[in-house]
Amino acid sequence: KAGVTQTPRYLIKTRGQQVTLSCSPISGHRSVSWYQQTPGQGLQFLFEYFSETQRNKGNFPGRFSGRQFSNSRSEMNVSTLELGDSALYLCASSSGYTGGSYGYTFGSGTRLTVV
Amino acid sequence: AQTVTQSQPEMSVQEAETVTLSCTYDTSESDYYLFWYKQPPSRQMILVIRQEAYKQQNATENRFSVNFQKAAKSFSLKISDSQLGDAAMYFCAYRSAVVTDKLIFGTGTRLQVFP
Repeated sequence: KAGVTQTPRYLIKTRGQQVTLSCSPISGHRSVSWYQQTPGQGLQFLFEYFSETQRNKGNFPGRFSGRQFSNSRSEMNVSTLELGDSALYLCASSSGYTGGSYGYTFGSGTRLTVV
Repeated sequence: AQTVTQSQPEMSVQEAETVTLSCTYDTSESDYYLFWYKQPPSRQMILVIRQEAYKQQNATENRFSVNFQKAAKSFSLKISDSQLGDAAMYFCAYRSAVVTDKLIFGTGTRLQVFP
């Protein structure tokens, strides 16, 4: 069974640009959630999607957005990039409903560097 | 709001010895799930063990076990017979029992294993 695939692995962007990150969950999983990991703030929840609907959202500015497609793949977008957006972005998948109660499968993340 | 606290930024252990990582949390909910995740340098978060709050019995997975004290809101991880491959960042995480995949993470403990 293929794991959670995040692309790209590394990304360098300039301040003011926008970026789109992709996450393909485990086959059959319908829930995808996103996290930002930085040395200063640790792991922070961005948002989660289940069956193409945003089910929960963290405390991030509107520059951070996401969506989920009918095949459960998810994308997150960050517009008008700031230096502070440099982070490892992780996504996690579960079957949804109560599947997350058994833990989540994480991808290897996308390392975004804003210069 | 729920919070998770890991008070040990770094821990070290000799190979084959036992080490305990601490985690405390704060919540007003009575039903929830707790997890320990391991993050090696490869960046991927790997589920180590999970605990359901309504179960009094402590979870065990091979060399990994937890000491779950619900009244004290404590959830420590014990690693027995430590191996070099156990070296990683360890994160404690909380998930509400309501339908959500949002995880709240502690700040992590870096575990070093010496031969």
